Amino acid sequence: NAGVMQNPRHLVRRRGQEARLRCSPMKGHSHVYWYRQLPEEGLKFMVYLQKENIIDESGMPKERFSAEFPKEGPSILRIQQVVRGDSAAYFCASSSGQNYGYTFGSGTRLTVV
Amino acid sequence: AQRVTQPEKLLSVFKGAPVELKCNYSYSGSPELFWYVQYSRQRLQLLLRHISRESIKGFTADLNKGETSFHLKKPFAQEEDSAMYYCALLDAGGTSYGKLTFGQGTILTVHP
Repeated sequence: NAGVMQNPRHLVRRRGQEARLRCSPMKGHSHVYWYRQLPEEGLKFMVYLQKENIIDESGMPKERFSAEFPKEGPSILRIQQVVRGDSAAYFCASSSGQNYGYTFGSGTRLTVV
Repeated sequence: AQRVTQPEKLLSVFKGAPVELKCNYSYSGSPELFWYVQYSRQRLQLLLRHISRESIKGFTADLNKGETSFHLKKPFAQEEDSAMYYCALLDAGGTSYGKLTFGQGTILTVHP
């Protein structure tokens, strides 16, 4: 079991471009969570998804950010028209939803230049 | 609303000294609390959870409901303990089942 896989590890985008961050949960996990770690700040919850459903997106910025977790394939966090303030580490975690057993990925570090 | 507070952003101790990383929380229900550790630029790893009452790498944490605290302690710090530590509270109710609320994190540096 390869654990939670996030790619790419590092992503550089120019202002105005789109960023796509991928997260493949652990085998058997159907719950995916995205968190953002801004410089000098802690981890902030963004969105919680189950297969084909967004359960809680209370931490997502209202504009430019979207997330999906399709029936097949990884979960995608999409940031349109990136700005410098989007530069951060984005972590994905998955769980089976049974025993609070979260597993985190290694994160994607997004740099907007 | 639930909240987790880690009042110290930075904590420095010498090797062999005791260390305590503070964590306070606010939550209306019965809390489920965790400590996560993040070594330099690596993924977050679960260090311990209060319901299991275990000791990992010499660390312990006791839930004090009266003081709404869940401080992390180790009697003798080691250099390899240098890392970022996050206290987290699980929201196990309603539609946010499984969502973790993190504190701001404390960077622990253990000097030789």
